Amino acid sequence: EIVLTQSPGTLSLFPGERATLSCRASRSFGSSYLAWYQFKQGQAPRLLIYGVSSRATGIPDRFSGSGSVTDFTLTISRLEPEDVAVYYCQQYGGSPLVTFGGGTKVEIK
Amino acid sequence: EVQLVESGGGLVQPGGSMRLSCAASGFTFSSYSMNWFRLTPGKGLEWVSYINSRADTIRYADSVKGRFTVSRDDSKNSLNLEMNSLTVDDTAVYHCARQEAHGAFDIWGQGTKVTVSS
Repeated sequence: EIVLTQSPGTLSLFPGERATLSCRASRSFGSSYLAWYQFKQGQAPRLLIYGVSSRATGIPDRFSGSGSVTDFTLTISRLEPEDVAVYYCQQYGGSPLVTFGGGTKVEIK
Repeated sequence: EVQLVESGGGLVQPGGSMRLSCAASGFTFSSYSMNWFRLTPGKGLEWVSYINSRADTIRYADSVKGRFTVSRDDSKNSLNLEMNSLTVDDTAVYHCARQEAHGAFDIWGQGTKVTVSS
């Protein structure tokens, strides 16, 4: 099983700052199959990025994904209050068997 | 509006059963593979089950294999999850999600909470 490790566990930043979230895989998995999701309390989860760097429909361009092989990054270029959420990376290279990282909680100072 | 809405959660005793449903609207449900996931504070996000558009390929996580059964009713735009022999470890918020052609899961429901407790 591919294990995804996300860091940091919690990220606390001021509005307008840049947020960098990391996701590291225990081994390579056909690395184009990496996605990022946003989970907010009381809302349906939202797909942000798929295929490492493709933004999903309706996602603002302040969200971007990058990386390859085993190291991947979600960047929020200018943090806004509505970005407070838990973010999960996910690999689906072994689809339908998929695994998630442990999540990064993003807070606003 | 493209939407998924789960229902059927609640409180159940260990060893009991529960049936979850996921109502789809705003898209051609029969064209999509569908999945169930669950979220717990302790274990995080876990994939539970997969069913393809033709319902001829079904997969389960090892943790639920033999106890959970996924099915779909395309005439009702509905995805179902029959859960038997429930344990406290099955306590979670269960989400259904649509799987897009590129493989990621682009539409999710808000989730339904299942609590297994005596």
